Amino acid sequence: QVQLQEAGPGLVKPSETLSLTCSVSAYSINSGPFWGWVRQPPGKGLEWVGSISPTGGTAYNPSLRGRVTMSVDTSKNQFSLKLTSVIAADTSVYYCTREVDDGRLLEHRIDYWGQGTLVTVSS
Amino acid sequence: SSELTQDPAVSVALGQTVRITCQGDNVRNYHASWYQQKPGQAPVLVTYGDNNRPSGIPDRFSGSSTGNTASLTITGAQAEDEAEYYCNSRGSSNDYMVFAGGTKLTVL
Repeated sequence: QVQLQEAGPGLVKPSETLSLTCSVSAYSINSGPFWGWVRQPPGKGLEWVGSISPTGGTAYNPSLRGRVTMSVDTSKNQFSLKLTSVIAADTSVYYCTREVDDGRLLEHRIDYWGQGTLVTVSS
Repeated sequence: SSELTQDPAVSVALGQTVRITCQGDNVRNYHASWYQQKPGQAPVLVTYGDNNRPSGIPDRFSGSSTGNTASLTITGAQAEDEAEYYCNSRGSSNDYMVFAGGTKLTVL
């Protein structure tokens, strides 16, 4: 059973960088297949942020490209999210996830989710 | 506008069948996955691919797709199925994923 736990500051100032880490337990991050982030503004819907493979290949939401970077630290069994130049609209619960993508079967799923962490952007 | 569209709210009588739909051009080419989210909780995967369910998900939940519309059907809705439901599929350029806006299901 894959377990995911987000960690990071709950408050970030506008124009600064949001940094979150996800610790993976009971599973090797090297086994992937992909690790991702989904966010949800308070009272609103889900937004896919992006994903990363254990070897560092990334895919990002086009609306966030240029501000988002993901990385993997296999030695710590963790992966991370950085979002630069944050604004109030980036205030969300951020979930780290495991993604499975099968291009042959044309299917994708997010089968494990962390509990989520609220990040508020405010001065 | 969102690439995937869901009705904001749907209601169903207890024990009846309800279909929640998700429309988008890329649903023609790529299966949708469906997630259930209850207040204060992380989403849970309920169906994916060609009508697959993770272990632990009741068989009253099923997924299907026709043309540009993906559907989640709950056959014999239960009170505990009251939740927000989101579909997810590929974006238009195939290198990213996108969620629809969600459907709030009320079980009467």
